Amino acid sequence: GIQVEQSPPDLILQEGANSTLRCNFSDSVNNLQWFHQNPWGQLINLFYIPSGTKQNGRLSATTVATERYSLLYISSSQTTDSGVYFCAVERTNFGNEKLTFGTGTRLTIIP
Amino acid sequence: GAVVSQHPSRVICKSGTSVKIECRSLDFQATTMFWYRQFPKQSLMLMATSNEGSKATYEQGVEKDKFLINHASLTLSTLTVTSAHPEDSSFYICSARDPAGAPVAPRETQYFGPGTRLLVL
Repeated sequence: GIQVEQSPPDLILQEGANSTLRCNFSDSVNNLQWFHQNPWGQLINLFYIPSGTKQNGRLSATTVATERYSLLYISSSQTTDSGVYFCAVERTNFGNEKLTFGTGTRLTIIP
Repeated sequence: GAVVSQHPSRVICKSGTSVKIECRSLDFQATTMFWYRQFPKQSLMLMATSNEGSKATYEQGVEKDKFLINHASLTLSTLTVTSAHPEDSSFYICSARDPAGAPVAPRETQYFGPGTRLLVL
């Protein structure tokens, strides 16, 4: 199956700093989503971005499908940004639709 | 829109008992729901795909007889952990797709419930 690797695995930053999280995947995909899992476990949709660039406030994401990677940018970090960030990809194959999650990046923002 | 709920949020049970977890799509109808399991400090692993009105599709290595899935309506899927043991203790999360699509997200987007923490003593 498709492999999804995220880097870095852990990231500790001071409040106000910027960060870039990376997601590499091993095959072409039809769907790529970024999620934030808060400390209580809730997964929050950030972006649906199989290709191109999107922005939402302090967050933006870029996926270069031909090179099989996606980047999530967080600017002016706040303590509420802490948590685990996952990318998840899907390769539709004869109707077998399912998301494969990456290894995750644990982000800790220090006040 | 596109809200998914789960009940209960946490459950503690004795070894050997069965536990039922409910997953509901609150403001949309979902023909397909997904069940994931997450161990501490690990990623989410898909357990099974739940299809309304038909049998669930289980991932390799997931025991069908131990993790019973029922998707009896377009808004409800249930996962029953039968004869639970301490190694089944985990965080169980469901998700669903809105086939109609949301105003700001395509139909492929999955929406996740808040999860259920299961502790088997």
